Amino acid sequence: AQSVSQHNHHVILSEAASLELGCNYSYGGTVNLFWYVQYPGQHLQLLLKYFSGDPLVKGIKGFEAEFIKSKFSFNLRKPSVQWSDTAEYFCAVTVYNQGGKLIFGQGTELSVKP
Amino acid sequence: GAVVSQHPSRVICKSGTSVKIECRSLDFQATTMFWYRQFPKQSLMLMATSNEGSKATYEQGVEKDKFLINHASLTLSTLTVTSAHPEDSSFYICSASIQGNSPLHFGNGTRLTVT
Repeated sequence: AQSVSQHNHHVILSEAASLELGCNYSYGGTVNLFWYVQYPGQHLQLLLKYFSGDPLVKGIKGFEAEFIKSKFSFNLRKPSVQWSDTAEYFCAVTVYNQGGKLIFGQGTELSVKP
Repeated sequence: GAVVSQHPSRVICKSGTSVKIECRSLDFQATTMFWYRQFPKQSLMLMATSNEGSKATYEQGVEKDKFLINHASLTLSTLTVTSAHPEDSSFYICSASIQGNSPLHFGNGTRLTVT
């Protein structure tokens, strides 16, 4: 079965620090990859997605992620975090042609100190 | 953009009663909708895939007789938690996709508390 693993359960950073959240998936076939963010008390929002093409994907709010197929990874990065980035971040994968069924990682809680 | 509406946003019920949660795609047709469950401080766990006009597909470990799913139209899927117990208290989230592999759009979720 497909699975998604996020290495960090809780990350604490100061403002302006750089961020990298790890995500690995287990599936050998074609996948689509996503990062979602959930701000406190709010629903999930799509940060960015990778379907094909350039493995470096840019999303909203200055986030980017790099798909490294050989490592089955899709790490999320941001050069300089802000207090407003405090949220839960979820990596997710769909297997091609499975109708959009998303499998989520465990989530990483990011706390940014002002 | 595509919007998924979920109702109610919050419900409190007594143990043994049933609760129905609605998920609507407001500006697009969704042949497939997904139901997730999220426990506090945990990730979203896929419960079932709801297919318009056919039976839902449940994930392993999810009781289909307890979590009844009906997808009667291209814009509405319902999840009924039957004979609810306190351990069913959770955050239930639905999602839908415009096309098979496009990003899912999520509803705001339903906070169910069973007393």
